[in-house]
Amino acid sequence: DTEVTQTPKHLVMGMTNKKSLKCEQHMGHRAMYWYKQKAKKPPELMFVYSYEKLSINESVPSRFSPECPNSSLLNLHLHALQPEDSALYLCASSLSGNTIYFGEGSWLTVV
Amino acid sequence: GDSVTQMEGPVTLSEEAFLTINCTYTATGYPSLFWYVQYPGEGLQLLLKATKADDKGSNKGFEATYRKETTSFHLEKGSVQVSDSAVYFCALSANQGGKLIFGQGTELSVKP
Repeated sequence: DTEVTQTPKHLVMGMTNKKSLKCEQHMGHRAMYWYKQKAKKPPELMFVYSYEKLSINESVPSRFSPECPNSSLLNLHLHALQPEDSALYLCASSLSGNTIYFGEGSWLTVV
Repeated sequence: GDSVTQMEGPVTLSEEAFLTINCTYTATGYPSLFWYVQYPGEGLQLLLKATKADDKGSNKGFEATYRKETTSFHLEKGSVQVSDSAVYFCALSANQGGKLIFGQGTELSVKP
């Protein structure tokens, strides 16, 4: 079973709010990812965690703050976002960094 | 750097037509190649993959063969259905920390 679960599926937040996106996988994967996707565009890598340590930060603004509490969980904390941050946020995981499996995504709207 | 180029969409086909979506890549080394599908309102699903030259990935009637000599990984299906309407992304992984390099995506619309 290749399942990555994301919550919430939809989130609307104001520009002064603080919210979090959550991701969970129970496949024993050791790498977890956050991607951002705008409509009909390919996903853009934001962060990579490998063995619970941040290994890649693609120069993402500090208003996005990732956290990996354990090997199964990945959070993305959101604060002071801008309307242009509205997008689909995809979590993903992989066993060895080769085949990457994506979740269903969280649709974020910033108002 | 590594890159993936897909044929531009949208592609519109009638049901039961033959589908080809072209994908070519540029990479140093020996990447793994993937096709992902994204149905409307959903996340990305891994459709098929190939990890070395001449490998053929297949799933749900879709096939793609890793052609090193032409640096291509074209997606094919013999008879498309309305339910195949989606955006298809070709991608490669050169195992650089698990980064996927995506093509721009090809939107497929299948009409009854």
